[in-house]
Amino acid sequence: GAVVSQHPSWVICKSGTSVKIECRSLDFQATTMFWYRQFPKQSLMLMATSNEGSKATYEQGVEKDKFLINHASLTLSTLTVTSAHPEDSSFYICSARTQGLSQFFGPGTRLTVL
Amino acid sequence: GEDVEQSLFLSVREGDSSVINCTYTDSSSTYLYWYKQEPGAGLQLLTYIFSNMDMKQDQRLTVLLNKKDKHLSLRIADTQTGDSAIYFCAESLPGGYQKVTFGTGTKLQVIP
Repeated sequence: GAVVSQHPSWVICKSGTSVKIECRSLDFQATTMFWYRQFPKQSLMLMATSNEGSKATYEQGVEKDKFLINHASLTLSTLTVTSAHPEDSSFYICSARTQGLSQFFGPGTRLTVL
Repeated sequence: GEDVEQSLFLSVREGDSSVINCTYTDSSSTYLYWYKQEPGAGLQLLTYIFSNMDMKQDQRLTVLLNKKDKHLSLRIADTQTGDSAIYFCAESLPGGYQKVTFGTGTKLQVIP
């Protein structure tokens, strides 16, 4: 149980295009979902926290107009990287939390912007 | 503020014990976690400890928490080559969303 999937697992796009990443909790309802970014050989940095049906809460320094988060249902959250640039290339990981304490992480999406 | 630090690298021989250390600064942490990340993969929760506990053991894993010194450690007994990965400690803080802050990660290399 407690499986979180992400789609796609990797994506390559041209500079200036937008990319959507999906995060799904497969066998539980996630009241809260988190989006993280991980640069090579670095730790995870929290980008934003989203609750179903409400606006996401962004961490300081994260542009909410560039990283659009939608949490339309209790099992799906999406992150859209708008007008992507090479510096947006990174490993994006989502996690989902139920009423309990644990976060369950997705496998991550590797984004490469050319 | 939130700051979680770990040593970057640890190398041990197969069969030995590994001890990965972590220090944190926020004394209001509610839970402390250990996650494992294998190359190119997401994070796997290994174990966690509530902040009012001193120790937790789970098969080969032993977590020690020194709340006074804000020090957390993960001991892996009988380390195997499959344990080679990056290990992140993390703390969650009180609040509605229980935001989790991750450490810098320790790369464990197990030598056969």
